[in-house]
Amino acid sequence: NAGVTQTPKFQVLKTGQSMTLQCAQDMNHEYMSWYRQDPGMGLRLIHYSVGAGITDQGEVPNGYNVSRSTTEDFPLRLLSAAPSQTSVYFCASSYERGGSSYNEQFFGPGTRLTVL
Amino acid sequence: GENVEQHPSTLSVQEGDSAVIKCTYSDSASNYFPWYKQELGKGPQLIIDIRSNVGEKKDQRIAVTLNKTAKHFSLHITETQPEDSAVYFCAVYNFNKFYFGSGTKLNVKP
Repeated sequence: NAGVTQTPKFQVLKTGQSMTLQCAQDMNHEYMSWYRQDPGMGLRLIHYSVGAGITDQGEVPNGYNVSRSTTEDFPLRLLSAAPSQTSVYFCASSYERGGSSYNEQFFGPGTRLTVL
Repeated sequence: GENVEQHPSTLSVQEGDSAVIKCTYSDSASNYFPWYKQELGKGPQLIIDIRSNVGEKKDQRIAVTLNKTAKHFSLHITETQPEDSAVYFCAVYNFNKFYFGSGTKLNVKP
């Protein structure tokens, strides 16, 4: 298994540009999520999905859109990039353990985004 | 939403010593508490977790304790080794969302 893959690894954008960060997993996980990581602030949840066709907002959703048309893919779209969106972005996926609502998350390698 | 606080932000120990990292949370409905290790340039990786119906869990040199009444949980690493040097994050799961602490940079000196 490749696990969770993210592309690109690095990206530089100009203010106002749009782009899509790709995330895919091959573990048949139902739950997928996007985080941003900023220095001294840990990881903050942007959006998440509990299955194909179902998405919801996290702590910091403004300026980002997501869709989940398949179990495997969960792209994150920046609508109009701003310097405040300069960050490292991580995608993660989870399965349910023991039929409970608890989730063990597996993270991708991250995308380092700079907005000028 | 949930509020997770993690201390200390940096921790330096001598090889062979123990390290303890503490987290507190605010919502008593939170029910799953994982700890992640993040090495430079990589994504976080789960090292140990604990459910709300358990008070302590151990895996070789790593242990986690949970006090639900006080709403705090701790990571304990014994006999630290240089390869334990990394950033450690606690997290809390609450109604489909994970909330992370701000991280602890652990430095193990040989």
